[in-house]
Amino acid sequence: SQELEQSPQSLIVQEGKNLTINCTSSKTLYGLYWYKQKYGEGLIFLMMLQKGGEEKSHEKITAKLDEKKQQSSLHITASQPSHAGIYLCGADIGIQGAQKLVFGQGTRLTINP
Amino acid sequence: AAGVIQSPRHLIKEKRETATLKCYPIPRHDTVYWYQQGPGQDPQFLISFYEKMQSDKGSIPDRFSAQQFSDYHSELNMSSLELGDSALYFCASSLVAGSNEQFFGPGTRLTVL
Repeated sequence: SQELEQSPQSLIVQEGKNLTINCTSSKTLYGLYWYKQKYGEGLIFLMMLQKGGEEKSHEKITAKLDEKKQQSSLHITASQPSHAGIYLCGADIGIQGAQKLVFGQGTRLTINP
Repeated sequence: AAGVIQSPRHLIKEKRETATLKCYPIPRHDTVYWYQQGPGQDPQFLISFYEKMQSDKGSIPDRFSAQQFSDYHSELNMSSLELGDSALYFCASSLVAGSNEQFFGPGTRLTVL
């Protein structure tokens, strides 16, 4: 079973609209990463969240980690064609130190002009 | 800024051949991670190294081995290749004493014929 569940798995929005992608874990998250991937290409680091309640923004993308540290959301404001791609959440569910990441299944985002 | 470098970017092999993938982490990063991403799948952790020692092991087949060298670059050696080994192989690096953010390389696309 998937340790990290992302929703929705696929999302089609009109350019200029806002959207939210969710990432839920059954375990406490010690570090939650958001990456963007173009099909067949590398993972582009977006943000990392570690503290419950933490919120980070970069340009039009905002990510939050909930207080209980088991869910994160990625919000894109006024979406643009350049936002299209696959968004992956990755989680460090270890205790401390250098840890492997487990990933959600990804959310494929399409932006219609 | 320098990123994670992987080589080769593309590799085509026949069944039962061997392959070596290389990863050059971001300068001063001390930890390297290897992930495998099959078609339509999320990345799966294979193995990691911290300060040239194996730090964690995931779903890496016995046919694969890896090491980290004194200059911190890492190599993933794959023998007796099978069709199912066709995938994108990502290397990521991080600095344990820092924010521990994992930055990914562009990946090596391995195709086994």
